[in-house]
Amino acid sequence: DVKVTQSSRYLVKRTGEKVFLECVQDMDHENMFWYRQDPGLGLRLIYFSYDVKMKEKGDIPEGYSVSREKKERFSLILESASTNQTSMYLCASSLDFRTGDEKLFFGSGTQLSVL
Amino acid sequence: GIQVEQSPPDLILQEGANSTLRCNFSDSVNNLQWFHQNPWGQLINLFYIPSGTKQNGRLSATTVATERYSLLYISSSQTTDSGVYFCAVSSNDYKLSFGAGTTVTVRA
Repeated sequence: DVKVTQSSRYLVKRTGEKVFLECVQDMDHENMFWYRQDPGLGLRLIYFSYDVKMKEKGDIPEGYSVSREKKERFSLILESASTNQTSMYLCASSLDFRTGDEKLFFGSGTQLSVL
Repeated sequence: GIQVEQSPPDLILQEGANSTLRCNFSDSVNNLQWFHQNPWGQLINLFYIPSGTKQNGRLSATTVATERYSLLYISSSQTTDSGVYFCAVSSNDYKLSFGAGTTVTVRA
């Protein structure tokens, strides 16, 4: 089975701190994604990456950046955390659009609280 | 973007009952997936089903792409089926749009 691992289940940070959320997948997937999930707003795509060092903005990229230096690792960076970034952050991966196998697999999530 | 509507928003079932969840979408899609989010927040992929019918144990799904809807069937429901079921669609292979979900509660 695909395993998508997020480094922390719960995280508490202060306003203005730089925050790193790490995600690792073990199935050699080409594509990786960062979503946030908020009550009443559902799941929204922040950024995704379809190859090493490649990234594209999703629906809500403001206030976030990403890094993908290795195929298996995709990091989400909050340059200066704000209280409106308190949320559940979900990392996901999928194989490759070209194979037609695009099932999305999620990590267990990181609940981030910014105080 | 594509609009995704799921119905009903909430569903309460007695253990052993069958149910149908619906997902309507506003444009043609080439990617449609169903997910189950358990009470601990983990999202599990149930089906990748841009068209046709698939079955996996007590769950099955049907997508009628030409009519822009998909159905998820739960048969002989169990308490472990409780959680939120999401439908997600895309027309460009990677940027999935999620519906608001159907919250299912199965009572023993």
